[in-house]
Order: sequence, then C-alpha cells, then structure tokens
Amino acid sequence: KQEVTQIPAALSVPEGENLVLNCSFTDSAIYNLQWFRQDPGKGLTSLLLIQSSQREQTSGRLNASLDKSSGRSTLYIAASQPGDSATYLCAATNTGNQFYFGTGTSLTVIP
Amino acid sequence: GAVVSQHPSWVICKSGTSVKIECRSLDFQATTMFWYRQFPKQSLMLMATSNEGSKATYEQGVEKDKFLINHASLTLSTLTVTSAHPEDSSFYICSARPPLLNYGYTFGSGTRLTVV
Repeated sequence: KQEVTQIPAALSVPEGENLVLNCSFTDSAIYNLQWFRQDPGKGLTSLLLIQSSQREQTSGRLNASLDKSSGRSTLYIAASQPGDSATYLCAATNTGNQFYFGTGTSLTVIP
Repeated sequence: GAVVSQHPSWVICKSGTSVKIECRSLDFQATTMFWYRQFPKQSLMLMATSNEGSKATYEQGVEKDKFLINHASLTLSTLTVTSAHPEDSSFYICSARPPLLNYGYTFGSGTRLTVV
C-alpha cells in the first residue's frame, strides 16, 4: 500500500522568504502527484498536478518537482506571503485513480 | 470548469439520526467519485469509491451499512451516515476527476458533520 509522508509537519517563516515543502512516497508506480492547499475548515484547492511522465510544474510563485525513482516531490514557494498560510497536502494517485494523501505541512507566514 | 459541489457545508444532527451529503459534478460527468473523511489535525482518508450504476467499493474498516453510498447518475453521488454517533463527527470531502487528464482531481468544499 502506498504511504505518503510530508516533512516538516509545521513550518513558520517570515514574509518574503522562499521555502520548500517535502513529500515522499513509498511506491514509485504512481499515475500522478498532486499538491493541494487546505485552509482551516475548508475543502481542498488544487495547486499543481504533475503527471508521472513529467518532472515539474510551475504556477506563479509555485513550483513542484517530481522524482519517481527516489519517491520524492517538492513544492517550492517563492517570496512567501501571509496569504500563503494554510496546510499543504500532497497526494499520489495510482492507476486505479485512488488518492493517497500525505499528512500535510501546516505553513504560517509571519508578516 | 471542472467544479464539484458538495452540500451541505455543515450539519449538526442528533445522535441516532441519519444525514445525507450530496456531491455533484457541475460541468462534467463523473462515473467515479471518491469519499474521504478527515479527523482534526489529520490527513484525508479514503472511505469508499462510488461507481455510477453499481455498488460502491469500501476501504477496509469502513462500515458499508453505516455509510451508505448511492451514485445514481453521472453527476451525483450521495453519502448517508446512518444512525450517526458522536464519533462520526468529522469533515467529509468528495472528489471526482474530469475527463481531461490535465485537470487532475477536483474536490468538493467539504461537509463538517457534528453529531450531538
């Protein structure tokens, strides 16, 4: 069974700093990997989707990379802002389209 | 495009009653939808896979008689929590994948269930 882990569990940074969130998965036979943002008490907002044949995706200040062979993905956030404060979840999907979610990283950007 | 609507966003019910949560794909057809549960400060756990026109597939440890799933059309799946108890209080989220691969999965806004 796929296991997804995210490190760190919580992160606090001053505004303007660049940061990296880490996601690791045990089964490299993934279909794709997706990063989400979850605000307190809310649903999920999709940030970036990386298909298994891709190595990275970019959207604005966000860049996600995927290394299937090592079972790792990273989410890079440039020039962090207080509005970036949220929980970030990564999820790996298998060919059955089932999601395996990581434990999440709670990010706080201090003004 | 690719919007999943979930209703209600929050509900409070008395112990022993049943609650129905709806998940709709607004602008695409979804033959498969997924239901997740999230306890406080924990990640999402898959409960079941809802298949249009057939029985749902439940994850190990999830009681199918307690969490009834109906996927009667290509745009609607419902989750009914029967005889709810306080330990069923949780955040329930559904998801579906639009036909175009590059959309990835879309999630509903979630339903906060509180059983008193």
